[in-house]
Amino acid sequence: KNEVEQSPQNLTAQEGEFITINCSYSVGISALHWLQQHPGGGIVSLFMLSSGKKKHGRLIATINIQEKHSSLHITASHPRDSAVYICAVGQGGSEKLVFGKGTKLTVNP
Amino acid sequence: NAGVTQTPKFQVLKTGQSMTLQCAQDMNHNSMYWYRQDPGMGLRLIYYSASEGTTDKGEVPNGYNVSRLNKREFSLRLESAAPSQTSVYFCASSYTKSNTEAFFGQGTRLTVV
Repeated sequence: KNEVEQSPQNLTAQEGEFITINCSYSVGISALHWLQQHPGGGIVSLFMLSSGKKKHGRLIATINIQEKHSSLHITASHPRDSAVYICAVGQGGSEKLVFGKGTKLTVNP
Repeated sequence: NAGVTQTPKFQVLKTGQSMTLQCAQDMNHNSMYWYRQDPGMGLRLIYYSASEGTTDKGEVPNGYNVSRLNKREFSLRLESAAPSQTSVYFCASSYTKSNTEAFFGQGTRLTVV
């Protein structure tokens, strides 16, 4: 069983829809990261959080430490949001990140 | 404002050839990482370096070597390339441990024929 599980694997939405991507993990963590990988291949960090909620523009990330679960929400989705979204967890005191397999989001106009 | 610079972007090798992937960061980060990304799998750690002069194996180190040349640069070497090493390789850095933000290079698409 993977230590980090993402759902869904693939998601297709219409422009304007509210999107939710989920991430569950099975280990104790020091931080959880949400990353975005565009079709061109580059990976950028969207959020790093260890508790509560963070918001950047139309993106919101939440984490529930007790339930070992995080969600990434996109409000008013747009075709430019089409990308692979990757969840990764950092374990306490470790140098290493453990990655989920990613969720491929396609937003159609 | 370069961030993490990784070269080359694309490479085709014949089985048995060697090559070095270069990575440099200009953010004064202590930790640097090499990952590979294969279809249907999450990013997997090949090697990492917690600080200048130290390197450690990750999840999939076989067939690779690394050098932390200085604080800025962390190179990945394939001594004798194999088709199983066909992958997309990413270098990344962070200020310190996994609870600090990670920055990624643009990736190297390597094909071994």
